[in-house]
Amino acid sequence: SQQGEEDPQALSIQEGENATMNCSYKTSINNLQWYRQNSGRGLVHLILIRSNEREKHSGRLRVTLDTSKKSSSLLITASRAADTASYFCATALEMNRDDKIIFGKGTRLHILP
Amino acid sequence: DAGVIQSPRHEVTEMGQEVTLRCKPISGHNSLFWYRQTMMRGLELLIYFNNNVPIDDSGMPEDRFSAKMPNASFSTLKIQPSEPRDSAVYFCASSNFGDLDRRNQPQHFGDGTRLSIL
Repeated sequence: SQQGEEDPQALSIQEGENATMNCSYKTSINNLQWYRQNSGRGLVHLILIRSNEREKHSGRLRVTLDTSKKSSSLLITASRAADTASYFCATALEMNRDDKIIFGKGTRLHILP
Repeated sequence: DAGVIQSPRHEVTEMGQEVTLRCKPISGHNSLFWYRQTMMRGLELLIYFNNNVPIDDSGMPEDRFSAKMPNASFSTLKIQPSEPRDSAVYFCASSNFGDLDRRNQPQHFGDGTRLSIL
């Protein structure tokens, strides 16, 4: 299985509701990043959280990191139609001394009008 | 600011043909990554350059794949000969790797090349 796995694989919610996606990983990390991908487009970086941080905010996004459980969550509050996209977590392994990150397979989020 | 530019956006060709994908990273970035995305395997790192030097090519599927970065503003990914199983979306991304304390800066992706091998 992969280093980073998102859960759920797909999520449909009503506009205005909050969306929560989770990411679990296996090997100790230096940092964890979340990306968004709209259909037919490249990935866009949303937020980076380092292993010594527990929570970060950016606008309507809130990311938490629990290194003891090797898991992270991405919360999107007050969802909008424009939030419909796939969301990926990516981990940078602590053991690595280079610039690589490993992507999970993503959560497909669909915001219903 | 111009982002990462990939060309072509779409490529359809017959198996056995040579395919060349091109990427122009963001000016000033010193790391460049080539990824392949499929429904089955997700986003896979193929090769990673730093300061134009290949650092890790362990993700390159086989000898039919090769990548070059002749200068800081241009990279190519070549498949020769191409096979139907190479059909995927290929992404190029760039970032600015400072030092170990600031590694893994956000990666900036192009919009990809959708490759179909018939």
